[in-house]
Amino acid sequence: GDSVTQMEGPVTLSEEACLTINCTYTATGYPSLFWYVQYPGEGLQLLLKATKADDKGSNKGFEATYRKETTSFHLEKGSVQVSDSAVYFCALIRPSGGSYIPTFGRGTSLIVHP
Amino acid sequence: GAGVSQSPRYKVAKRGQDVALRCDPISGHVSLFWYQQALGQGPEFLTYFQNEAQLDKSGLPSDRFFAERPEGSVSTLKIQRTQQEDSAVYLCASSLAGRDTGELFFGEGSRLTVL
Repeated sequence: GDSVTQMEGPVTLSEEACLTINCTYTATGYPSLFWYVQYPGEGLQLLLKATKADDKGSNKGFEATYRKETTSFHLEKGSVQVSDSAVYFCALIRPSGGSYIPTFGRGTSLIVHP
Repeated sequence: GAGVSQSPRYKVAKRGQDVALRCDPISGHVSLFWYQQALGQGPEFLTYFQNEAQLDKSGLPSDRFFAERPEGSVSTLKIQRTQQEDSAVYLCASSLAGRDTGELFFGEGSRLTVL
């Protein structure tokens, strides 16, 4: 079945450091890929998405490129802030018949120190 | 409402008790999902509704779990004879109709602790 694998956390960085959170997936066909973020005490919210190979999703300084050849969708940011501290979830969605069910990775916690 | 609302936020139950968790989705959202999130894990799919129709319940872990959405809006997840392994955060999410948008709007979750 479809699955998403994320790097283990927590990832601990100093402010203004570069961030990469790895995500790889297994799926038949051509899924759409997503990153969700969960800030402390809040629900998950969509951060960015890409719907086809070589697409780049971006939002709030974060980017991720859909790499079909390596089945990856790594999340990157050039300069993190304390306010980026959160849990990040990679997810995929694959249409199947008349419905679709998003599948999530286990999440990667990011801690940014001043 | 402005967002997805879940209640109660916290629930402590004794083993063997029945619990009911409520989800009030964003007005007009056709699709509604329930997920279970254990500590340190990602959300695991439980069930999916499109309006009042339960189109997929393949993720429900046992017949003790039951979900309904009788009028295509508010949904209730019921867990009968709770067990300790049911302790988790139960997330509800809704989305506009559409097969491939993937943008779910999540509530803050209901944290269930079974003693």
